[in-house]
Amino acid sequence: DGGITQSPKYLFRKEGQNVTLSCEQNLNHDAMYWYRQDPGQGLRLIYYSQIVNDFQKGDIAEGYSVSREKKESFPLTVTSAQKNPTAFYLCASSIQVAGNTGELFFGEGSRLTVL
Amino acid sequence: DQQVKQNSPSLSVQEGRISILNCDYTNSMFDYFLWYKKYPAEGPTFLISISSIKDKNEDGRFTVFLNKSAKHLSLHIVPSQPGDSAVYFCAVTHREKLIFGTGTRLQVFP
Repeated sequence: DGGITQSPKYLFRKEGQNVTLSCEQNLNHDAMYWYRQDPGQGLRLIYYSQIVNDFQKGDIAEGYSVSREKKESFPLTVTSAQKNPTAFYLCASSIQVAGNTGELFFGEGSRLTVL
Repeated sequence: DQQVKQNSPSLSVQEGRISILNCDYTNSMFDYFLWYKKYPAEGPTFLISISSIKDKNEDGRFTVFLNKSAKHLSLHIVPSQPGDSAVYFCAVTHREKLIFGTGTRLQVFP
């Protein structure tokens, strides 16, 4: 069953701690993305990767880091430098870069709450 | 600066009637225009798209209209069904990115 798996689904973190969100896909897609959703603000792009070992900053990359060591995996680390980390995080993938057709496949999301 | 705007945060429609969701954009260079549907606590799913060279695309109950001169995109759902109740995001492609609007919550009531 092909798809995108995000874990954990819910995560609580104390202020000052780093946390890593996992994203794995078995769709054999080259491109992967991380978005953040906040109420009333839609989805905002954090980072994206078009191929292995390469990634680019999105619109709100400050306080986040990513890696793309394998085609299937694109983990996101929310660092203590991120001022407002409480949000719903969405990972997505596409056969080719989003700019071609825009059709992304999303995971079910990870909700991070900072206490 | 919001490049893609959905000015109506919510819309309520009776079952069987038409739902019309609207989206305005600022940049004439966008290539593809899309609609995504999202249920609570789930990821968005692709619904329908249209390229910048067309003005209409239909898929079953869903039709997307593109008015390039007005920089306006709309999604028509007819007839609306209770299962259509969700948040709808319009999105545009720009170079290698997909840019989303802020979303409109559609509620279809019996």
